[in-house]
Amino acid sequence: QQQVKQSPQSLIVQKGGISIINCAYENTAFDYFPWYQQFPGKGPALLIAIRPDVSEKKEGRFTISFNKSAKQFSLHIMDSQPGDSATYFCAASWEGGNKLVFGAGTILRVKS
Amino acid sequence: DGGITQSPKYLFRKEGQNVTLSCEQNLNHDAMYWYRQDPGQGLRLIYYSQIVNDFQKGDIAEGYSVSREKKESFPLTVTSAQKNPTAFYLCASRSRDNTEAFFGQGTRLTVV
Repeated sequence: QQQVKQSPQSLIVQKGGISIINCAYENTAFDYFPWYQQFPGKGPALLIAIRPDVSEKKEGRFTISFNKSAKQFSLHIMDSQPGDSATYFCAASWEGGNKLVFGAGTILRVKS
Repeated sequence: DGGITQSPKYLFRKEGQNVTLSCEQNLNHDAMYWYRQDPGQGLRLIYYSQIVNDFQKGDIAEGYSVSREKKESFPLTVTSAQKNPTAFYLCASRSRDNTEAFFGQGTRLTVV
């Protein structure tokens, strides 16, 4: 119930291409869905987040698409750059909940 | 600067020893968390604390202990009972309003 399933485990994209990472959840009480970006040897940092009252949120080249009925959300990275190469984690939490539940992570490599 | 400070960055432990990882935050956050990260396994929750003098076990608490004597501090002790302690340890904090979690830069623990 508290799991967040993330796919793919790894992804290779050409520079300028679109990177897409998907997550699915079961707990309908979740109401906050962030994506974190982590570079090697560093702590994760918030990239973008969405709440279920909207179906899409865009910040620069990064977009979250949210499908409440399917209980899925995804991260799209447009015009992917080598500097985007990192590990990406989706997560979920709920009001009154006491922890973020993380997906297993996706290792993204953008080839130049 | 506000943030979370973890120390040390690298730590080496001999088998049978207890070691303590430090985590300090000046964000005035109520909640603090410890995660363990192993290659390809995402972030696994060890312990978390919502308020001073209170903490709960996460998914992989065996072999670890914590304390929360001050709001700013949440140290993690890796005991000799932890059979495979070599990993990257991340501390995080979060406010009560179900939003962004902030992470420290991590401590890499190696058993020698």
